Amino acid sequence: QLQLQESGPGLVKPSETLSLTCSVSGGSISNYFWSWIRQPPGEGLEWIGYISYSGSTNYNPSLKSRVTISVDTSKNQFSLKLNSVTAADTAVYYCVRCTSSWFGLDVWGQGTTVTVSS
Amino acid sequence: IQLTQSPSSLSASVGDRVTITCRASQGISSYLAWYQQSPGKAPKLLIYAAYTLQSGVPSRFSGSGSGTDFTLTISSLQPEDFATYYCQQLNSYPWTFGQGTKVEIK
Repeated sequence: QLQLQESGPGLVKPSETLSLTCSVSGGSISNYFWSWIRQPPGEGLEWIGYISYSGSTNYNPSLKSRVTISVDTSKNQFSLKLNSVTAADTAVYYCVRCTSSWFGLDVWGQGTTVTVSS
Repeated sequence: IQLTQSPSSLSASVGDRVTITCRASQGISSYLAWYQQSPGKAPKLLIYAAYTLQSGVPSRFSGSGSGTDFTLTISSLQPEDFATYYCQQLNSYPWTFGQGTKVEIK
């Protein structure tokens, strides 16, 4: 059974870079799209972007200037970098699998809380 | 594309039939998914392609609609169904979510 696990610092200082990794187990990272979704405390869901197994990316324009998503197929991992963070970036960050846009976001990690604070 | 869910919250009893609507600001064909999120948990995919039930999801959940107007129906509300529900469009980028509908116990 496919499982996703986010990892990375839970506290990031303002203006620094948030870095998270998603480890994929129980299946291959090939032939899918891999997304990051975030949810600020008490708020709704926001799509950050995705990367395909081949490395093509698509980002939310609201974050595009600050976001990089990359994939390491040899490690079955993909990563998120968000630079110049502010308190508004405080959220639970989820890594998610998407087979295709027709099939929705079908496998979710448990989520990791990132707080931006000095 | 903006998605507007209604209502934002509702109170219902076990056994009730519940309907949540999601309206898109422009046509999205059938590229709509529904998710359930229980407190402290990751969202869970319930329905994709507007009406197709994800594997393992109980048949009391159903979806309908196409274009701009969609509904999620729970035919007989169960205790484990008290949660927040989100719609999401995957027709065009950026993928967007509705603001959520919280289903509470009456």
